[in-house]
Amino acid sequence: KAGVTQTPRYLIKTRGQQVTLSCSPISGHRSVSWYQQTPGQGLQFLFEYFSETQRNKGNFPGRFSGRQFSNSRSEMNVSTLELGDSALYLCASSPLAGGREQFFGPGTRLTVL
Amino acid sequence: GIQVEQSPPDLILQEGANSTLRCNFSDSVNNLQWFHQNPWGQLINLFYIPSGTKQNGRLSATTVATERYSLLYISSSQTTDSGVYFCAVLLLQGGSEKLVFGKGMKLTVNP
Repeated sequence: KAGVTQTPRYLIKTRGQQVTLSCSPISGHRSVSWYQQTPGQGLQFLFEYFSETQRNKGNFPGRFSGRQFSNSRSEMNVSTLELGDSALYLCASSPLAGGREQFFGPGTRLTVL
Repeated sequence: GIQVEQSPPDLILQEGANSTLRCNFSDSVNNLQWFHQNPWGQLINLFYIPSGTKQNGRLSATTVATERYSLLYISSSQTTDSGVYFCAVLLLQGGSEKLVFGKGMKLTVNP
């Protein structure tokens, strides 16, 4: 069974631009979560989607948004990029709602210049 | 919110040595996972362990939920064990779930 895939793997943007990252979960997994990893803040929860609905969101500004499609694939968008948005963005999927093991993709490394 | 603390923050070992990583959490949790982050950034699942003990080769983990801690044991360490180890607790909030991570522990295994 294929793992969680994320595209692109690397991205360089400039301040003020916007970016869209994509995540395809493990086949059959319906819950997709996004996390941001930075040297200063560590790994932080961004949001979680299940059945095309955002069920939870972390403490991030409204510039961070996401969505989930009917095939469970998910995208996250960051608008008006800031230097501090440079980070590794990790996507995770789990098979069912509630209390299930999460499996992570390889991540997208975003650099904002 | 819940606090997840890992110790020690850094550890340097000689190949063949054993080590114990500790994860303390400040409140009741629904589950707990241990990860190893590879040099390219991917989080590799090691254990999904709400309570009790599990073993996988040279690695084993024990979670004592009532005392709010988990331990990861690495025996006969190898250079390939080097990297950052994360403990994360799973919280359920109104049907949603999220992981809260510790700050990680950097392990260096020297040949």
